Amino acid sequence: NAGVTQTPKFRVLKTGQSMTLLCAQDMNHEYMYWYRQDPGMGLRLIHYSVGEGTTAKGEVPDGYNVSRLKKQNFLLGLESAAPSQTSVYFCASSYGDIRYTFGSGTRLTVV
Amino acid sequence: DAKTTQPPSMDCAEGRAANLPCNHSTISGNEYVYWYRQIHSQGPQYIIHGLKNNETNEMASLIITEDRKSSTLILPHATLRDTAVYYCIVRGSNTGNQFYFGTGTSLTVIP
Repeated sequence: NAGVTQTPKFRVLKTGQSMTLLCAQDMNHEYMYWYRQDPGMGLRLIHYSVGEGTTAKGEVPDGYNVSRLKKQNFLLGLESAAPSQTSVYFCASSYGDIRYTFGSGTRLTVV
Repeated sequence: DAKTTQPPSMDCAEGRAANLPCNHSTISGNEYVYWYRQIHSQGPQYIIHGLKNNETNEMASLIITEDRKSSTLILPHATLRDTAVYYCIVRGSNTGNQFYFGTGTSLTVIP
């Protein structure tokens, strides 16, 4: 039982490049979330999904897009990366919306 | 969702109880108190949650005051592995209410 798996774990992008972060969960959870964490700060919610085919904006959605085509996967896209998007990205999932299971994070640097 | 206030940092001697306070004076009747922790930039980990009664599990105890305006997370016998950032979050139980993480309390367990 892998839980929540994030791919890739590390990435360096040049400004203006695009990329997709993949989050996969094998717990049959309905809810999935993407957070970012900047140094010395707490986690901030980017986007979330309450079920397959649904997405919604969180606190800091600008510059990101998401898709939930399959229940087990939640994709986070950066269409044109900016240095301000340098961060650690965490994905989480939950069955109800009480107890979240987090992935180990993706460390993204935009130069 | 009610805001929470936590001390930015605390120390605790190994083997002693760690008592982490959280103020949530604007909590409303249907809002739960949740605790998560984040060890060394890993994804946050669920610890415990409660509404108004004290709660205990294998990781910790949660003590909520009678007026529900504050709570304390207790790690009964702190170990070095409990060194982490601890987040207190207050949130309603309705579907669609996401967790918003603050900056938490950085707990250092000292040998």
